[in-house]
Amino acid sequence: AQRVTQPEKLLSVFKGAPVELKCNYSYSGSPELFWYVQYSRQRLQLLLRHISRESIKGFTADLNKGETSFHLKKPFAQEEDSAMYYCALWGAQKLVFGQGTRLTINP
Amino acid sequence: NAGVTQTPKFRVLKTGQSMTLLCAQDMNHEYMYWYRQDPGMGLRLIHYSVGEGTTAKGEVPDGYNVSRLKKQNFLLGLESAAPSQTSVYFCASSPYYEQYFGPGTRLTVT
Repeated sequence: AQRVTQPEKLLSVFKGAPVELKCNYSYSGSPELFWYVQYSRQRLQLLLRHISRESIKGFTADLNKGETSFHLKKPFAQEEDSAMYYCALWGAQKLVFGQGTRLTINP
Repeated sequence: NAGVTQTPKFRVLKTGQSMTLLCAQDMNHEYMYWYRQDPGMGLRLIHYSVGEGTTAKGEVPDGYNVSRLKKQNFLLGLESAAPSQTSVYFCASSPYYEQYFGPGTRLTVT
């Protein structure tokens, strides 16, 4: 069975500080992992996927198969990063989402 | 290109009433999904479809039914609404794994 865990429901950091949103997964196959973001009053949208190894809006995420983790990181947080972040795992023709982390960037 | 649209945006139902939520996409995607979003629970998959005429149960299917008679539309029905179904409902479509979401429907059952 697929399972995604985001241990932090809320995360608050100051502008300019580093940010790390944690994500752990459980999956028997080869995982395809994603981060989705939901800004206030907007629909969910894809932020990044592990296979592309891109940096989007300064965020990166590395898949660590040994630790079954896919943490999202940004070295210097900006106020516009405040949003709800969801980690998701693709398998068996569907995405399984974690519980989400609400990130608040304080000025 | 409208992307993914949902109708209605808001609805208040009384316990026992029925309603249908409509999801439409104009991107010719094969896969479509219905989720509910509740505080602290994240997004939970209700039902999904991998093509026209197909449907499958997700994580929380009880109390809901779906139909995909046309490729572009995915309907979510509540036959007898219960207060536990108060939630925000999101529809998504995808060509494969990247999902495109609708704006959501806020449903309150009193």
